[in-house]
Amino acid sequence: AQSVAQPEDQVNVAEGNPLTVKCTYSVSGNPYLFWYVQYPNRGLQFLLKYITGDNLVKGSYGFEAEFNKSQTSFHLKKPSALVSDSALYFCAVREKTGGFKTIFGAGTRLFVKA
Amino acid sequence: DVKVTQSSRYLVKRTGEKVFLECVQDMDHENMFWYRQDPGLGLRLIYFSYDVKMKEKGDIPEGYSVSREKKERFSLILESASTNQTSMYLCASSAAGTGSLYGYTFGSGTRLTVV
Repeated sequence: AQSVAQPEDQVNVAEGNPLTVKCTYSVSGNPYLFWYVQYPNRGLQFLLKYITGDNLVKGSYGFEAEFNKSQTSFHLKKPSALVSDSALYFCAVREKTGGFKTIFGAGTRLFVKA
Repeated sequence: DVKVTQSSRYLVKRTGEKVFLECVQDMDHENMFWYRQDPGLGLRLIYFSYDVKMKEKGDIPEGYSVSREKKERFSLILESASTNQTSMYLCASSAAGTGSLYGYTFGSGTRLTVV
């Protein structure tokens, strides 16, 4: 069965510093991988995805993520954090042959201090 | 601007009531989903639908049912609301086939409190 783990409930970073939000996954085949962001009292917004090809994918708001097949990870990164990046971040995975189901991680809350 | 609209932002219902949560999308998407979001548990899939009148159980369907009579509308029904169904409910949609790889579009959520 497919699963997603976000090992950190919360990540704190100072504005201007690089940030990383971690995600590892488990699927029986090759994965489709996604990151979503949720601002307070809002639904989730799609940030970026990995489907195939280049292991480094770029998304909205300056975010990027690196797919590492050997470590089954898909960490979200940004070179310079902004206070406005403070939000709840969800990693999600879907098996390429798994039909419709996308499984979401528990979420990581990012706090960026000014 | 494309949208998934959930009819209520906040709802308070009594134990035992039948509750309807409505979701409408204007993107002509084939796939629609209902998730519930709870702290520390992330999003858990309740039901999904890949076509009109079609439905599939997700990971936690107990106590819920769904209806999809029209392509744009997907309703979640709590047959007899209980306090453990107090949660944030999120509706999402996606295109069929390779279109689903563009990710889901989510509604703003309905925060349901059962008292």
